[in-house]
Amino acid sequence: AQSVTQPDIHITVSEGASLELRCNYSYGATPYLFWYVQSPGQGLQLLLKYFSGDTLVQGIKGFEAEFKRSQSSFNLRKPSVHWSDAAEYFCAVGAQAGTASKLTFGTGTRLQVTL
Amino acid sequence: ETGVTQTPRHLVMGMTNKKSLKCEQHLGHNAMYWYKQSAKKPLELMFVYSLEERVENNSVPSRFSPECPNSSHLFLHLHTLQPEDSALYLCASSQGLAGDQETQYFGPGTRLLVL
Repeated sequence: AQSVTQPDIHITVSEGASLELRCNYSYGATPYLFWYVQSPGQGLQLLLKYFSGDTLVQGIKGFEAEFKRSQSSFNLRKPSVHWSDAAEYFCAVGAQAGTASKLTFGTGTRLQVTL
Repeated sequence: ETGVTQTPRHLVMGMTNKKSLKCEQHLGHNAMYWYKQSAKKPLELMFVYSLEERVENNSVPSRFSPECPNSSHLFLHLHTLQPEDSALYLCASSQGLAGDQETQYFGPGTRLLVL
C-alpha cells in the first residue's frame, strides 16, 4: 500500500528566507505526486503535481518541487517566502480507484512565517 | 473559488441527531470524494464515487452513509455519531477519467462538532 511521510510537523522561517518542505513516499509503481496547501478554515488548494518527464516541477505562487526516485522524495521549495505563505502543506500520492483516484496524504507540515 | 461548494460550513449535533452534509461541484466532473480531517491525523479518504457509483469505501462505520444522486451532488448522511467523529469533512471532485493521475479539487469543508 502507498504511504507518504512528512517528517517535519512544524517549520518556522523568516520572511524572505528560502524554504524546503520534505516529503517521502512509498509506492510500488510510478508515483503520481501532489502538493496541496491549506489556509486556516479553508479547503485544500493544489500547488503542483508530478506525473512524468521533467523531475523539477513548477507550481503556483512561486513554488517548485523536485522528484528524486532514488530517494523516494518529492520536496517542495520556494526561494523567498512571503508572510502569506503561512499555512499547512500536504504531500500526497495518487492511486487508482476505477477511473477515479484516491489520494494518500502525509500528516502535513505547518509553516509559520516570522516578519 | 466556487468550483466545489459545501454546506453547511459548520455543524454542531448531538449523538442522537441525524444530519446531512451537502457537496456540489460546478466543474463538470464525474468523480466525487469524501475525506475526513482530524487533528494530528492525515486526511483520510472515506468514499469515492465515479459516475454516481461508489467505487471505494474505506472501512467507514455505517453511521456515515454517502449518497450521490447525480455527478454534481454528493451527500454524507450522519446518524448516531460519536464525539470522536468531530472533524473537518472535505469534499472533492475530479474528472473521473484518468485514474491515479487525477487532480482533485477540494471544497472548503464542513466543520462538525459532535456533543
